[in-house]
Amino acid sequence: GQQLNQSPQSMFIQEGEDVSMNCTSSSIFNTWLWYKQDPGEGPVLLIALYKAGELTSNGRLTAQFGITRKDSFLNISASIPSDVGIYFCAGTGAGSYQLTFGKGTKLSVIP
Amino acid sequence: GAGVSQTPSNKVTEKGKYVELRCDPISGHTALYWYRQSLGQGPEFLIYFQGTGAADDSGLPNDRFFAVRPEGSVSTLKIQRTERGDSAVYLCASSLTEGGSGYTFGSGTRLTVV
Repeated sequence: GQQLNQSPQSMFIQEGEDVSMNCTSSSIFNTWLWYKQDPGEGPVLLIALYKAGELTSNGRLTAQFGITRKDSFLNISASIPSDVGIYFCAGTGAGSYQLTFGKGTKLSVIP
Repeated sequence: GAGVSQTPSNKVTEKGKYVELRCDPISGHTALYWYRQSLGQGPEFLIYFQGTGAADDSGLPNDRFFAVRPEGSVSTLKIQRTERGDSAVYLCASSLTEGGSGYTFGSGTRLTVV
């Protein structure tokens, strides 16, 4: 089946620093999604990408859909304490509604 | 309600027992999904409902797992003869139409089998 490799697994950064995380896939995806999950909550959608090469921003967050359709990255600029959480990439294949998730990147922000 | 509601939020059960997990989707959402999230992992697909019917149950791990959505709204995930390996967070999501970017997830039910 499809697998997503997400890195890094965890990050400790100082407040105000920029953050970058990425995902690679063994197969092509038609949609790339980035979610944030807080403890005891379900994942919340941050950014959705639909076309190869697409670069989309949502406030301090920027994500890109790789040209090969097998990778995506998420950048967070000027991190703040509330950015703490687990970030997941997810993708869907052609004509599919099933989300395939990465294992997540745990972000810790040091004030 | 405004969001996807899942009950109970936590469930502890003994090995071998039967459990039911409930999902109340956003009103009007015809698509409903169940995912399972093990510790330190991302969610994994279990089953998808479009209306009352299970359109895809390919993610159910074995025949101990079953889900229903009799009236096209509330769904119940049923697990028979629970095993310790079933311990996980069970997430429900709904969407207005079929499609990944339209998902809204609930907060999940944390199932612990002892």
